[in-house]
Amino acid sequence: AQRVTQPEKLLSVFKGAPVELKCNYSYSGSPELFWYVQYSRQRLQLLLRHISRESIKGFTADLNKGETSFHLKKPFAQEEDSAMYYCALSTNAGKSTFGDGTTLTVKP
Amino acid sequence: GAGVSQTPSNKVTEKGKYVELRCDPISGHTALYWYRQSLGQGPEFLIYFQGTGAADDSGLPNDRFFAVRPEGSVSTLKIQRTERGDSAVYLCASSSSGGPNYGYTFGSGTRLTVV
Repeated sequence: AQRVTQPEKLLSVFKGAPVELKCNYSYSGSPELFWYVQYSRQRLQLLLRHISRESIKGFTADLNKGETSFHLKKPFAQEEDSAMYYCALSTNAGKSTFGDGTTLTVKP
Repeated sequence: GAGVSQTPSNKVTEKGKYVELRCDPISGHTALYWYRQSLGQGPEFLIYFQGTGAADDSGLPNDRFFAVRPEGSVSTLKIQRTERGDSAVYLCASSSSGGPNYGYTFGSGTRLTVV
């Protein structure tokens, strides 16, 4: 069975500080990992995918298979980064498993 | 369409009633997914369509839940004899690759409240 754990329900940082949102997963195969974001009063949207190794809005995430982690990082947080962030794991079986999310608040 | 459209955006129904939730995916997206999100939790998988057929319905909680996609585009999630525990946001997503490994485009959800 696959599982995604986001250990922090709430995370608060000051503007300009580094931020790291933690994600750990369990899956016996080779997963595809994603981060989704939901800004206030907006729909859930894809932020970045492990498969594309991209940086979106200054965020990056590195898959660490040894630690089974896919933490989301940004060196200098901005107020507009305040949102709910979900880590998700997908397999070729079709469905995705989501963590329960971390609410990030960036204070001025 | 320009995005994934879900209707209605809100639905209040009485316990025991039947409801239908509609999802109109992005044109050309062959894969369509239904998820359910309860307060304080992440989206939980319900069912996945590839074209007209349900490729995986393992997430449907019981036989009161059923979904169809007869022409391979619009999908309807049907819930019979609703219970208060069915109250949640029901999310629809579609994907162009035929699978989830390129990420989803989500609709804005239908908030179902069973009273």
